[in-house]
Amino acid sequence: EAGVAQSPRYKIIEKRQSVAFWCNPISGHATLYWYQQILGQGPKLLIQFQNNGVVDDSQLPKDRFSAERLKGVDSTLKIQPAKLEDSAVYLCASSGLSAGELFFGEGSRLTVL
Amino acid sequence: AQSVTQLGSHVSVSEGALVLLRCNYSSSVPPYLFWYVQYPNQGLQLLLKYTTGATLVKGINGFEAEFKKSETSFHLTKPSAHMSDAAEYFCAVSESGGYQKVTFGTGTKLQVIP
Repeated sequence: EAGVAQSPRYKIIEKRQSVAFWCNPISGHATLYWYQQILGQGPKLLIQFQNNGVVDDSQLPKDRFSAERLKGVDSTLKIQPAKLEDSAVYLCASSGLSAGELFFGEGSRLTVL
Repeated sequence: AQSVTQLGSHVSVSEGALVLLRCNYSSSVPPYLFWYVQYPNQGLQLLLKYTTGATLVKGINGFEAEFKKSETSFHLTKPSAHMSDAAEYFCAVSESGGYQKVTFGTGTKLQVIP
């Protein structure tokens, strides 16, 4: 069974530029999560999808971050414009029927200069 | 609202010694509790989980954790540390029912000294 795929693994941009991250969850998993992990901290939930609907985006900075999950499969997270404090690892995870059991991708590390 | 608190951002143990990583939770409904492990430059991997039933749960790599409702705790233990256990460990909580929102603690980095 293929795991959660994320790309790119690494991205370096300057502040005020834009960036997009892509995630392909495990086949059949209805729930998809985007977490932000700043160095030395635990993952913080940015947005959670159930199929292609948003169930929680309370911590997503909506003035600069956006996310979509078209057709209930893969998802894209966009940041525009980026700030220095957006430097972090962006983790995508998916889950199926087993409550709370998340399968994570390797993450996308963003450095904003 | 749900949350977890992990005591100690860094823990050092000698190889062969007991590993104890502490986690306390807060939840307004019966919780589901998890421990995840993260190796450098990798995503998180599930170590073990408690949902219902037996309060002592066993996970991969010899780890186990005990759900204590009276203490709102879910501490992670391993009788004998191995060098390969060096990693960062995250406690997490999800409320039973609802949309499976999972909230993570701030993590504990385990160092194993030879």
